Amino acid sequence: AQTVTQSQPEMSVQEAETVTLSCTYDTSENNYYLFWYKQPPSRQMILVIRQEAYKQQNATENRFSVNFQKAAKSFSLKISDSQLGDTAMYFCAFILTSGTASKLTFGTGTRLQVTL
Amino acid sequence: GAGVSQSPSNKVTEKGKDVELRCDPISGHTALYWYRQSLGQGLEFLIYFQGNSAPDKSGLPSDRFSAERTGGSVSTLTIQRTQQEDSAVYLCASSLARRAYGYTFGSGTRLTVV
Repeated sequence: AQTVTQSQPEMSVQEAETVTLSCTYDTSENNYYLFWYKQPPSRQMILVIRQEAYKQQNATENRFSVNFQKAAKSFSLKISDSQLGDTAMYFCAFILTSGTASKLTFGTGTRLQVTL
Repeated sequence: GAGVSQSPSNKVTEKGKDVELRCDPISGHTALYWYRQSLGQGLEFLIYFQGNSAPDKSGLPSDRFSAERTGGSVSTLTIQRTQQEDSAVYLCASSLARRAYGYTFGSGTRLTVV
């Protein structure tokens, strides 16, 4: 079974600064996708960024980028130029590319607070 | 619709009553998922529907929980004889068959059992 671990329950960053959220996962498979989701107080989960395991290049979406280390099974999220609107819960998630285990597995989340 | 719609947004029920939670997925999305998020916790998988295949019910915590998806579209999650530990946010998501795109989530139903 696949597991996802987020070891930072809470983090805080000042506006305009950079913060990195950690995520590690465990799988014996080679082909999978990784995601970061943001959950603001509105409760709706919003996809922030995704990474295909077969791609060595780290994904980037505007101020959000990842550091994907496949051998280490690590998938951290970097938020640059943090904004107040980035305050939310952030969840790391994993899914295999094929097979019957076709559901997303989530970590327990990191609560990020952006302060003035 | 444009997004995944869930109703009701909030539900307060008395212990022992049955509740029904509704999810209307994005049109054309063949897969539909239910997750439960307890206070301060991550997302716990409940059930997964894919097209006409038999649903994956492996995450349902007890036989008080059931779900159906009619016509490959709207889904209803039913909790019978609710208990206080059922209090949580119930999130529905839908996706295309290809997993690379992740899921699109609704805003959830907050269930409170008193």
